[in-house]
Amino acid sequence: GNSVTQMEGPVTLSEEAFLTINCTYTATGYPSLFWYVQYPGEGLQLLLKATKADDKGSNKGFEATYRKETTSFHLEKGSVQVSDSAVYFCALSWSKFYFGSGTKLNVKP
Amino acid sequence: NAGVTQTPKFQVLKTGQSMTLQCAQDMNHNSMYWYRQDPGMGLRLIYYSASEGTTDKGEVPNGYNVSRLNKREFSLRLESAAPSQTSVYFCASSEEPDETQYFGPGTRLLVL
Repeated sequence: GNSVTQMEGPVTLSEEAFLTINCTYTATGYPSLFWYVQYPGEGLQLLLKATKADDKGSNKGFEATYRKETTSFHLEKGSVQVSDSAVYFCALSWSKFYFGSGTKLNVKP
Repeated sequence: NAGVTQTPKFQVLKTGQSMTLQCAQDMNHNSMYWYRQDPGMGLRLIYYSASEGTTDKGEVPNGYNVSRLNKREFSLRLESAAPSQTSVYFCASSEEPDETQYFGPGTRLLVL
């Protein structure tokens, strides 16, 4: 079946540190991949997406590359800010959406 | 554009009470969804509607009913609330070929 596995949190970083949140997937077809962000008390917002292998999604300094050979879509940012503190969800879409369990990021000044 | 709106934002119910969560979208999307979010469990799909007039069960439909009132509105009803239904409920919508789902701000429900 289809599923998404992402690293458990919380992840705690200092401001300006490098961020990686790992995400791997299992899919029966060729899904689109997504990262969503959820700020405290809010709904999920699309952060970035990639629709085919080797595509790179990017937004607000975040990047993720669709790696078919490793079935991964890791989220990276070169220099995090306190305002990036949120919960990040990896997801795939293949006839329906499958979400990971979320990774909470805490960025300290 | 308001996007996806949900009412109420917060609700407290007693066990056995009923209520309806409202969702509306102004993006002219065909597909709409109801999810619940519980700590450590990500989002779980309750029901979805691929188009006006159709609804289908998701992963956790028991204890819920839905109505796709028109293209804009998709409501979720709890007929007899139970403490296990304490959760945050999110509505979302999408439109082919863009698979992106757009989420509302959520309804926090506490069942005592």
